[in-house]
Amino acid sequence: ETGVTQTPRHLVMGMTNKKSLKCEQHLGHNAMYWYKQSAKKPLELMFVYNFKEQTENNSVPSRFSPECPNSSHLFLHLHTLQPEDSALYLCASSPRTAISDTEAFFGQGTRLTVV
Amino acid sequence: SQKIEQNSEALNIQEGKTATLTCNYTNYSPAYLQWYRQDPGRGPVFLLLIRENEKEKRKERLKVTFDTTLKQSLFHITASQPADSATYLCALDAVDTGRRALTFGSGTRLQVQP
Repeated sequence: ETGVTQTPRHLVMGMTNKKSLKCEQHLGHNAMYWYKQSAKKPLELMFVYNFKEQTENNSVPSRFSPECPNSSHLFLHLHTLQPEDSALYLCASSPRTAISDTEAFFGQGTRLTVV
Repeated sequence: SQKIEQNSEALNIQEGKTATLTCNYTNYSPAYLQWYRQDPGRGPVFLLLIRENEKEKRKERLKVTFDTTLKQSLFHITASQPADSATYLCALDAVDTGRRALTFGSGTRLQVQP
């Protein structure tokens, strides 16, 4: 285990549903991230939070809405998704947002299927 | 445009041989490069980090090289084992784009045959 926990592990939702993904870390890290991994594509950075403040939104559609109530928890709220949004959603954390000089700790991911 | 390329989608080798995976990048000037292992349906797990002023880094059976002139990193697994079968991802920082977060390659799937 990496110390980053994501729930649920699997989620099937209709295009009109609203659901939320949850990520939790108790590693004392100050930065948290959402990545999307589609089949045969590289991981795509979606959002970056540093000390609970969003520092980056990588042109993500508004149907994805992140929330970071504290440094240990990160949510991704989903509404009116499209089938092409089906993917593995990965949460990661690092001691600070200068992530490149320290390792990133990833959760197990949530496998999302939009029907 | 900036690009990270990892060699071939899949690499098959015999147990005991050395696996060599390649990561090439263009239009980046990374200060750091990282390698991760990802098993099916799971999140990536960190393996090694190498800095731009380091030519080589080792950890047990793993070795990483970083050539900033060629814009290439090589990842070696010596005495490979079937348990090494996984997808290996290279990642680098994107400071020069103003983004402080890792950018990943597509990965190379390694299959070690017993």
